[in-house]
Amino acid sequence: SSELTQGPAVSVALGQTVRITCQGDSLRSYYASWYQQKPGQAPVVVIYGKNNRPPGIPDRFSGSSSGNTASLTITGAQAEDEADYYCNSRDTSGNPVVFGGGTKLTVL
Amino acid sequence: EVQLVESGGGLVKPGGSLRLSCAASGFTFSSYSMSWVRQAPGKGLEWVSSMSSSSASIYYADSVKGRFTISRDNAKNSLYLQMNSLRAEDTAVYYCARFQQVGGTTSWFGPWGQGTLVTV
Repeated sequence: SSELTQGPAVSVALGQTVRITCQGDSLRSYYASWYQQKPGQAPVVVIYGKNNRPPGIPDRFSGSSSGNTASLTITGAQAEDEADYYCNSRDTSGNPVVFGGGTKLTVL
Repeated sequence: EVQLVESGGGLVKPGGSLRLSCAASGFTFSSYSMSWVRQAPGKGLEWVSSMSSSSASIYYADSVKGRFTISRDNAKNSLYLQMNSLRAEDTAVYYCARFQQVGGTTSWFGPWGQGTLVTV
């Protein structure tokens, strides 16, 4: 099966912009979806498709993609954005879907 | 309100079995593919299994193939995961999630249940 690679951790100052990336061959064929998970809670989708936000997700969350890399950008990060973020996409071999390893976002 | 509620988790010895259930409400369950995703303590998300809306298509991660069986009862708006020959490495929170697809390139999981803990 394919793999999606995320950096383990990233930090951002309150109110600044941060980009979290996800790399993988499957992203050349499929859009990534992005999930926010806070401690002790279930994941919540924040971005899917080209750049779609579900109802209730703030517009400071946006997504983009280029080649084999998908990105989640938080413009004007807030304290409540501190969480683990996972990318996910359809798989191009074997399993139907694949998850990235997750990125821990710290808001300073 | 769209809601998924898992149940059935617990403590089981290696080699034992458990059956997880996921009760869906607030949407037309029979129209959606459904999945199980797990998360070992302190680890990331791992896709486990998926089933199409009609049960015609079923998929398993290699790590559970031959040991876990996914099923659904559309009349009861419920998804199940029968877990046999459990191993220590199956210890995780198991989430039920609705799987959505639009076109051939866009897909996502949502909503997710609150999860049920399985300890082997």
